[in-house]
Amino acid sequence: DAKTTQPNSMESNEEEPVHLPCNHSTISGTDYIHWYRQLPSQGPEYVIHGLTSNVNNRMASLAIAEDRKSSTLILHRATLRDAAVYYCILRDLNSGGGADGLTFGKGTHLIIQP
Amino acid sequence: DTGVSQNPRHKITKRGQNVTFRCDPISEHNRLYWYRQTLGQGPEFLTYFQNEAQLEKSRLLSDRFSAERPKGSFSTLEIQRTEQGDSAMYLCASSRPGRGHTGELFFGEGSRLTVL
Repeated sequence: DAKTTQPNSMESNEEEPVHLPCNHSTISGTDYIHWYRQLPSQGPEYVIHGLTSNVNNRMASLAIAEDRKSSTLILHRATLRDAAVYYCILRDLNSGGGADGLTFGKGTHLIIQP
Repeated sequence: DTGVSQNPRHKITKRGQNVTFRCDPISEHNRLYWYRQTLGQGPEFLTYFQNEAQLEKSRLLSDRFSAERPKGSFSTLEIQRTEQGDSAMYLCASSRPGRGHTGELFFGEGSRLTVL
């Protein structure tokens, strides 16, 4: 799996937007960009994914650079419950074999201040 | 949707003992994954099943580790002759197959192992 680079930690205030960056300069044409988050003492949970176009869902938005070498996860209005480790993962769904699973890095530890 | 269930949630054992963890995936999911997570690190892939077939094993899965999914439903992960370095959170995840799905993995809450 191609590698991603994320800041170790970020801090934001409650009810403000949060932009979590991810660099993936070696992304291939068939790599999807997935984001998962892990709340304290829980397993990871899916947040959002995309290929080329920006994506929105009830949890977040994903902005993908035109050259796809970076992306940004946007939480529009952070709450204390959004405090978690956020993982940016590249996943080749056309690999045709292997685990087709996820390769996690260390992620970004998001701290939300009340 | 009852989610992915893992048991036990916590296990404390003495070095050299055997331990077994169980994972019950979401019922219609045919893919099942085991991951291990140590403090401050992201989860690391251990092994993967499609139905009852174990299709891939990480080099992290030493000979002391064995995973099974006998009927393509629940899975067990056994660690024999535990060592202190085995202390970690063991996470199970399941997913539906194929393109056209998000490929989203659904994780359980994990089984935390402490080896004394």
